[in-house]
Amino acid sequence: DSGVTQTPKHLITATGQRVTLRCSPRSGDLSVYWYQQSLDQGLQFLIQYYNGEERAKGNILERFSAQQFPDLHSELNLSSLELGDSALYFCASSVVRGSTGELFFGEGSRLTVL
Amino acid sequence: LAKTTQPISMDSYEGQEVNITCSHNNIATNDYITWYQQFPSQGPRFIIQGYKTKVTNEVASLFIPADRKSSTLSLPRVSLSDTAVYYCLVVANTDKLIFGTGTRLQVFP
Repeated sequence: DSGVTQTPKHLITATGQRVTLRCSPRSGDLSVYWYQQSLDQGLQFLIQYYNGEERAKGNILERFSAQQFPDLHSELNLSSLELGDSALYFCASSVVRGSTGELFFGEGSRLTVL
Repeated sequence: LAKTTQPISMDSYEGQEVNITCSHNNIATNDYITWYQQFPSQGPRFIIQGYKTKVTNEVASLFIPADRKSSTLSLPRVSLSDTAVYYCLVVANTDKLIFGTGTRLQVFP
């Protein structure tokens, strides 16, 4: 158990819909990272927050947005969903701002778009 | 960000030592070398991190030559449960942590 909690674990929805994925980082961790992993694909970095502020962006689509709240939990919002958005979405947290520290990953949220 | 190159896949048998080499020719002075392990449908798990020479923990050893242009993750006496994808990352203290395609290790009985 990494200490990072992601909900929901599974989500099935239809094209055009909007979903919200939630991540609770480990206690004390200030940085939250979001990744997307499609079937048999590598991990695609989406976005990173540190203590409520956006710090880095990867290949995140405009239809996707995220935020980190004062209690440090984070949400990833996916809208106008397409079939290709079906993937595992991972959240990771670390105590430090930068990436040289160990990242702790959650178990992921599996999104299926029909 | 330094680009890494590692084998796409490797096969081994239980009880053998496995060495996975990663090339990172344009590694920068501030970069660290980090390895993660990922099982199917699970999030990656940090294995080991080093800057130079050798680092060892209860899971693996990491060998880094003096020029730091490559590194080798060594898994002693692998078991079936070591079947996973192993990612080599070269990271500075930036905010992005970019994973490559990794090495898919298959351990056979």
